[in-house]
Amino acid sequence: NAGVTQTPKFQVLKTGQSMTLQCAQDMNHEYMSWYRQDPGMGLRLIHYSVGAGITDQGEVPNGYNVSRSTTEDFPLRLLSAAPSQTSVYFCASSRSGQGGITPLHFGNGTRLTVT
Amino acid sequence: DAKTTQPPSMDCAEGRAANLPCNHSTISGNEYVYWYRQIHSQGPQYIIHGLKNNETNEMASLIITEDRKSSTLILPHATLRDTAVYYCIVRSRDNYGQNFVFGPGTRLSVLP
Repeated sequence: NAGVTQTPKFQVLKTGQSMTLQCAQDMNHEYMSWYRQDPGMGLRLIHYSVGAGITDQGEVPNGYNVSRSTTEDFPLRLLSAAPSQTSVYFCASSRSGQGGITPLHFGNGTRLTVT
Repeated sequence: DAKTTQPPSMDCAEGRAANLPCNHSTISGNEYVYWYRQIHSQGPQYIIHGLKNNETNEMASLIITEDRKSSTLILPHATLRDTAVYYCIVRSRDNYGQNFVFGPGTRLSVLP
């Protein structure tokens, strides 16, 4: 089991460029989410999905798009990168929250720098 | 979901128990207490969770007060590898969606 896999591990973008951060999980988890973590701070929720075809906004969604066409994959798209999006991005997944509480499994992050 | 308050940092001697407190005075009856930790710049790692009873697993123990307004995570024999940021999170048992809100946490330094 690979768990939650994020690619790339590191990325440098110029302002205005677009890119997609990839996240895949092999645990058949219904729930997936994206967080960003700025230096010295906790994690902030960007977008989440409770199943294929269903996405919703978190605390800081502006500048990011997501889609969930399969259970396994939950890519995060930056449409026009800005220096304020320099951060570490974490993807997480868990089994559905319906009827139970399950812990989140996190990937090891993508470190993004926008110049 | 209720908010949590944790001290920003703590020290602990290697081999001793580390007791990390968390206040969640506005917790409601259907909200669970979760603990995660983040070692250096890795992804957060799940430690333990509980509703109202004390819980123990291979990593730690979770003590929740009877009124549920606070809890303590106990690492019984801290090692240098336990140096990390520890997050206490309170989350309701939603029927749909799982939004874990991570605050700044407690930075635990285990000292040799």
